[in-house]
Amino acid sequence: GESVGLHLPTLSVQEGDNSIINCAYSNSASDYFIWYKQESGKGPQFIIDIRSNMDKRQGQRVTVLLNKTVKHLSLQIAATQPGDSAVYFCAVKGASGGSYIPTFGRGTSLIVHP
Amino acid sequence: DAGVIQSPRHEVTEMGQEVTLRCKPISGHDYLFWYRQTMMRGLELLIYFNNNVPIDDSGMPEDRFSAKMPNASFSTLKIQPSEPRDSAVYFCASSLFWSNTGELFFGEGSRLTVL
Repeated sequence: GESVGLHLPTLSVQEGDNSIINCAYSNSASDYFIWYKQESGKGPQFIIDIRSNMDKRQGQRVTVLLNKTVKHLSLQIAATQPGDSAVYFCAVKGASGGSYIPTFGRGTSLIVHP
Repeated sequence: DAGVIQSPRHEVTEMGQEVTLRCKPISGHDYLFWYRQTMMRGLELLIYFNNNVPIDDSGMPEDRFSAKMPNASFSTLKIQPSEPRDSAVYFCASSLFWSNTGELFFGEGSRLTVL
């Protein structure tokens, strides 16, 4: 099965700094990767996704990088704001013929200090 | 659309009591998932349905847990009898054409405390 891990359980940054949240996965056949943000008392919400045929994808203030060689992806948040404080999860989905159910990482808690 | 709606938002009960959690998925979505979230184990998939049919319930921890989806707009997760170790936040999520997009839409969760 898929094993998804996070490099750090908690990340503290100053407002305005850039944040980088990392995620490692184990199945080299994984083809779809999603980042979710979970604010306190709420359910996870989709932020950005990337497919395995891409190395980078940008959204508004967020960028996801995928390194298939080392089975690692990261979420970069530019100019981090207090509203970005939340738990961030990566989710990994298997390739065609494999599991279509996502495996969620344990989550990284991002704390933004004003 | 109102999103995925779960009830109750909070439930406090005593050990041995029956607990029923409810979920209304987003209209038109054909997949429904039940997750449990704890600090120790993170987000665990309990069961998921496709077109109201349970596909995989291997994540259901014990026979005390059961889930149903009688129609496309309603699902329940029942725990009977409940135990203190069942205390967690239970999330329902729905999605459309899972194999293409992969995005799950989560409800706000039901926080269960079993005393």
